[in-house]
Amino acid sequence: DGGITQSPKYLFRKEGQNVTLSCEQNLNHDAMYWYRQDPGQGLRLIYYSQIVNDFQKGDIAEGYSVSREKKESFPLTVTSAQKNPTAFYLCASSVTVTGTEAFFGQGTRLTVV
Amino acid sequence: AQSVAQPEDQVNVAEGNPLTVKCTYSVSGNPYLFWYVQYPNRGLQFLLKYITGDNLVKGSYGFEAEFNKSQTSFHLKKPSALVSDSALYFCAVRDMWAGSSNTGKLIFGQGTTLQVKP
Repeated sequence: DGGITQSPKYLFRKEGQNVTLSCEQNLNHDAMYWYRQDPGQGLRLIYYSQIVNDFQKGDIAEGYSVSREKKESFPLTVTSAQKNPTAFYLCASSVTVTGTEAFFGQGTRLTVV
Repeated sequence: AQSVAQPEDQVNVAEGNPLTVKCTYSVSGNPYLFWYVQYPNRGLQFLLKYITGDNLVKGSYGFEAEFNKSQTSFHLKKPSALVSDSALYFCAVRDMWAGSSNTGKLIFGQGTTLQVKP
């Protein structure tokens, strides 16, 4: 069953904690992305990766970190430096970073408690 | 700067009537354009794309979109709306100009909520 799997679906973080959101794809896609979605603000790009062992900052990278050690995995860490982390996080992948459409996971809702 | 605008926060239409969700874009080079749909607490589902060729693009679930280069628009349309079409719709663009720092990146509009009433 091909696709993009995000886990967990819901995540609660205490103030000052780092948390890691998982994103795995078995579509053999080179490019992967992380977006943040807030009500009324659409999707904003956090980080993207065009190929293994390479990634670039998006528009709102501050307070976040990523790694791309394997083609199929692109985990996102929300650090304590991210002052307002409560949001819906979406991971996506595409065959390459140009031309083709991106496919999305089901999202992780992160809440600070 | 590259951008996408969806001028309507919400579109209301009666079931069986045609619907249009508007999108305009600004890019430096040739645009690659996409429409996605999102149901509550779910990821985005791909509907259709324009890369090149015919200006009228057909996609999933009876949706189509018309690319208009002179008006820099890519409006989503459906001849007959269903209640089940009610959802949040996003327009997105990729700027394919090699000199752009945004080359290849998907840029999304703010989203338009479509409400189809029985």
